Amino acid sequence: ETGVTQSPTHLIKTRGQQVTLRCSSQSGHNTVSWYQQALGQGPQFIFQYYREEENGRGNFPPRFSGLQFPNYSSELNVNALELDDSALYLCASSLWYQSSTDTQYFGPGTRLTVL
Amino acid sequence: DAKTTQPNSMESNEEEPVHLPCNHSTISGTDYIHWYRQLPSQGPEYVIHGLTSNVNNRMASLAIAEDRKSSTLILHRATLRDAAVYYCILSRPWGFKTIFGAGTRLFVKA
Repeated sequence: ETGVTQSPTHLIKTRGQQVTLRCSSQSGHNTVSWYQQALGQGPQFIFQYYREEENGRGNFPPRFSGLQFPNYSSELNVNALELDDSALYLCASSLWYQSSTDTQYFGPGTRLTVL
Repeated sequence: DAKTTQPNSMESNEEEPVHLPCNHSTISGTDYIHWYRQLPSQGPEYVIHGLTSNVNNRMASLAIAEDRKSSTLILHRATLRDAAVYYCILSRPWGFKTIFGAGTRLFVKA
């Protein structure tokens, strides 16, 4: 069983640029959630995808967008990067978001630095 | 939004039990209590979850108050590897926006 993987591990961008982060879900999982984690804080929910449809969104502007593919891998896109976007971006896959017992499996994250 | 409150940090000695508290006074009847932990330079990992009854697994135990407004994660014998940030969250179905607080940073002394 393959765990959740994310790429790249680290990324440096400049303000105003666009970035795409990638996530490969754990085998058999059809739901993926993305989180932003600033230094010293807990993860903040960005959005969730279930079977290629956005299923829920946190308090993030539209320049944060995502995609989920038929194989359930996922992308997080951020346009017009701002300095405050510097953070660890985590993706988490799960099997059954409809259930309160659903367990999320997190990847190691992508560290984004915006200069 | 269903929020939880945890102490910022706690300290424990190696080989001793650790009780990590969490308050969730706005919990609803169908919310499950989940605990995750985040080791340095890693993503969070699942620890345990429960609804009403106390729960045990190989990693920890979860004690849930009778009114469900608080819970305690119990690590029976802390090891240095247990040094991490522990998050208590409430889980709802159907795309509920999972809310993580700042968690409790556990320090384990040798």
